[in-house]
Amino acid sequence: RKEVEQDPGPFNVPEGATVAFNCTYSNSASQSFFWYRQDCRKEPKLLMSVYSSGNEDGRFTAQLNRASQYISLLIRDSKLSDSATYLCVVNMKGGNNRKLIWGLGTSLAVNP
Amino acid sequence: GAVVSQHPSWVICKSGTSVKIECRSLDFQATTMFWYRQFPKQSLMLMATSNEGSKATYEQGVEKDKFLINHASLTLSTLTVTSAHPEDSSFYICSATPGTSVSEQYFGPGTRLTVT
Repeated sequence: RKEVEQDPGPFNVPEGATVAFNCTYSNSASQSFFWYRQDCRKEPKLLMSVYSSGNEDGRFTAQLNRASQYISLLIRDSKLSDSATYLCVVNMKGGNNRKLIWGLGTSLAVNP
Repeated sequence: GAVVSQHPSWVICKSGTSVKIECRSLDFQATTMFWYRQFPKQSLMLMATSNEGSKATYEQGVEKDKFLINHASLTLSTLTVTSAHPEDSSFYICSATPGTSVSEQYFGPGTRLTVT
């Protein structure tokens, strides 16, 4: 089982749609959780951290379910500029150190 | 604030040659820098973690003699791909953190390496 799993998509949605991405992680000792956005041939950029109580940033809402080891990202009122790959990232202990473990990413295309 | 640069942004080299990639934190001192590699349609894979003034810690499966990492100052880390082969062609991304938390990483723009 992969340490961080995501549905690779692609998700093709019209402008204004609501879209949800899911992610599961295997290590129950994971401490921190993030959603990053990566545009084609660019570096990843932090979209938002994910907190146990759930958190919202404008049109973006992130949820964490520790019992199910499940993270979600909801995007409301999709814009063309939201087209990108969304990476689920988990801060996990590997050996003696903590490190970020990256999901494969979910590709989103928002169409006019 | 928290800007990380990488140089070069892209490079094409011949098989068997070595390539050096620089990663700089421009407006903060980076206690720790990370080097990642990303193949097309794959996730970012951590190659190594480097702390200023000490040897880098390599992830399992990453050859330390092939991927030489030097973190000589708090603002500069270099990755040298030695005796490059076509299978080393990838997107190499560095990140830096001002503290010890791996959660606070600032990413460079990446270097696209093509080995012919």
